[in-house]
Amino acid sequence: QVTLRESGPALVKPTQTLTLTCTFSGFSLNTSGMCVSWIRQPPGKALEWLALIDWDDDEYYSTSLKTRLTISRDTSKNQVVLTMTNMDPLDTATYYCARTSFGSNSLDYWGQGTLVTVSS
Amino acid sequence: QSVLTQPPSVSAAPGQQVTISCSGSSSNIGNNYISWYQQLPGTAPKLIISDNNKRPSGIPDRFSGSKSGSSATLGITGLQTGDEADYFCGTWDSSLTAVVFGGGTKLTVL
Repeated sequence: QVTLRESGPALVKPTQTLTLTCTFSGFSLNTSGMCVSWIRQPPGKALEWLALIDWDDDEYYSTSLKTRLTISRDTSKNQVVLTMTNMDPLDTATYYCARTSFGSNSLDYWGQGTLVTVSS
Repeated sequence: QSVLTQPPSVSAAPGQQVTISCSGSSSNIGNNYISWYQQLPGTAPKLIISDNNKRPSGIPDRFSGSKSGSSATLGITGLQTGDEADYFCGTWDSSLTAVVFGGGTKLTVL
């Protein structure tokens, strides 16, 4: 049974760095073809993909947010961590992590999401 | 501005059918598999179509997907009130080396 769960602060101040953790089970990021993505969704708006890390430890980032994002993994803990620097109120959104299958490009299992509000 | 283009909304009566379009380019839909996601109000997105036209286990055959060139279509037959949701298309963009989504389509079952 594949599950993913996001954790992190619900509130951050402008200019601070956000750190989110995705803890997963039911699959291994060491398995060829396995990837984990981070996606966000501002209230009432569309999905926006942020970053992906794959089984080979390769990292991919949204072009528009590349300079602010870092994705990393800890395979021993089954965790993927996303950091986003210089947070702004426009970054207020629900942040999701999702298992992603290389080749298929599908995000087949999603976490429940965590709402992050950026406000002073 | 999303890389993939979807209509903002569609509507139909219960029991009827509806299609949702998703258009892109050769760098995304044209040369990669397309997926479709259903997002019920207040919940996380759920994969309903992968690899252009494959339904994950548990997804009813009322949902179908197709692709032609740089466009894709999600079809839903026998509409139910429980199908009211936002639907998103997504794929890999080989030029951007990124996952890209459509802006989403809100389905209303009248």
